[in-house]
Amino acid sequence: QTVVTQEPSFSVSPGGTVTLTCGLSSGSVSSSNYPSWYQQTPGQAPRTLIYSTSTRSSGVPDRFSGSILGNKAALTITGAQADDECDYYCVLYMGGGTRVFGGGTKLTVL
Amino acid sequence: EVQLLESGGGLVQPGGSLGLSCAASGFTFSTYGVSWVRQAPGKGLEWVSTISGSGAGTYYADSVKGRFTISRDNSKNTLYLQMNSLRAEDTAVYYCAKMVSYYFASWGQGTLVTVSS
Repeated sequence: QTVVTQEPSFSVSPGGTVTLTCGLSSGSVSSSNYPSWYQQTPGQAPRTLIYSTSTRSSGVPDRFSGSILGNKAALTITGAQADDECDYYCVLYMGGGTRVFGGGTKLTVL
Repeated sequence: EVQLLESGGGLVQPGGSLGLSCAASGFTFSTYGVSWVRQAPGKGLEWVSTISGSGAGTYYADSVKGRFTISRDNSKNTLYLQMNSLRAEDTAVYYCAKMVSYYFASWGQGTLVTVSS
């Protein structure tokens, strides 16, 4: 059973930089997993931020960036703002048409 | 503008069945894969199922395989999810999402399914 790991919670100061990660319980994340990232505020549908590791979705500000760091996918938020406080999810493509979400990271900006 | 509108959610007893629909507009429906993603109350997102643009390819999470069936009617621009043998742990908001390549590009607002006696 593949488990995609994310930090359960993270805190960043306003204006600061934070990097959230997305890993595999067994093995390394690569570009072949086509990592994507989604932002969700409570009660709302998810919003697509990043796809194919590092491509920003339309309308997403450039302070959101994606990369592979070591053996994990990463989402970096530069210049954090109050309305960045929400949940962030990564998804990895596992082959055979299947995908797995990470458990999500609750980001606090304070 | 891409629009995805889910419907069909509601209360169903354990062991029962329910069918969801997702009406799509704003894009050439038959060209894109579409997926169902769910979120249990207070929990994270979970991929449920994906169907290819033609409908020839269908893929399921292990948690629903054998119980749920995804299908589409490209003449009606509509995605479906037939859910059988429902369990309490299937209680969730179910979102449909347009796929572009390997990612979820657009999302509906979701429909709530509650499995309870």
